[in-house]
Amino acid sequence: TQLLEQSPQFLSIQEGENLTVYCNSSSVFSSLQWYRQEPGEGPVLLVTVVTGGEVKKLKRLTFQFGDARKDSSLHITAAQPGDTGLYLCAGDYTGTASKLTFGTGTRLQVTL
Amino acid sequence: NAGVTQTPKFQVLKTGQSMTLQCAQDMNHNSMYWYRQDPGMGLRLIYYSASEGTTDKGEVPNGYNVSRLNKREFSLRLESAAPSQTSVYFCASSPLGQVPLGWQYFGPGTRLTVT
Repeated sequence: TQLLEQSPQFLSIQEGENLTVYCNSSSVFSSLQWYRQEPGEGPVLLVTVVTGGEVKKLKRLTFQFGDARKDSSLHITAAQPGDTGLYLCAGDYTGTASKLTFGTGTRLQVTL
Repeated sequence: NAGVTQTPKFQVLKTGQSMTLQCAQDMNHNSMYWYRQDPGMGLRLIYYSASEGTTDKGEVPNGYNVSRLNKREFSLRLESAAPSQTSVYFCASSPLGQVPLGWQYFGPGTRLTVT
């Protein structure tokens, strides 16, 4: 079973602060996805990264895929209360995208 | 277009009882998945169906069975519920082979408590 570790597990910050969430594995991913989950709902896809070293931006969110495709990071600039939620990374080890392995998640709370 | 629907939303069972969780998608996706989510454990794959007519075990299949009834529907059955199966269960579907690769669309979840 592949292990996908996320850090930190919990993060509580004030509005306007910056933060980075990490996702690490000992194995190489074919692709990696980031999801956000709000209380009482299912996860929603934010981004997919495929190429080593790839950087994608989604408004104030910046996603980076490691050169060796074993790690990824999510950076949020000037966090807002609407960013509150559980952030999950999910890696495809199969190469076929037929199934994903999810990380343990980072729970983010942004307060005013 | 409802996406992925799950029934029921909440369920309380007694140890030893059986039940079936229903999932349906209207996006014509090939692949469907069942996950469980426990505190601090993220999402763990129970079973998946890459295409109609096929099912495969995931990371935690013990105590569960699945049926891919047709392209739209994928059900999860607990034959004899145990307290360790108390969890939130999510169904997901994926347009396998289309970009973004591996993208999964999740239902709202079923919150199951086994006493």
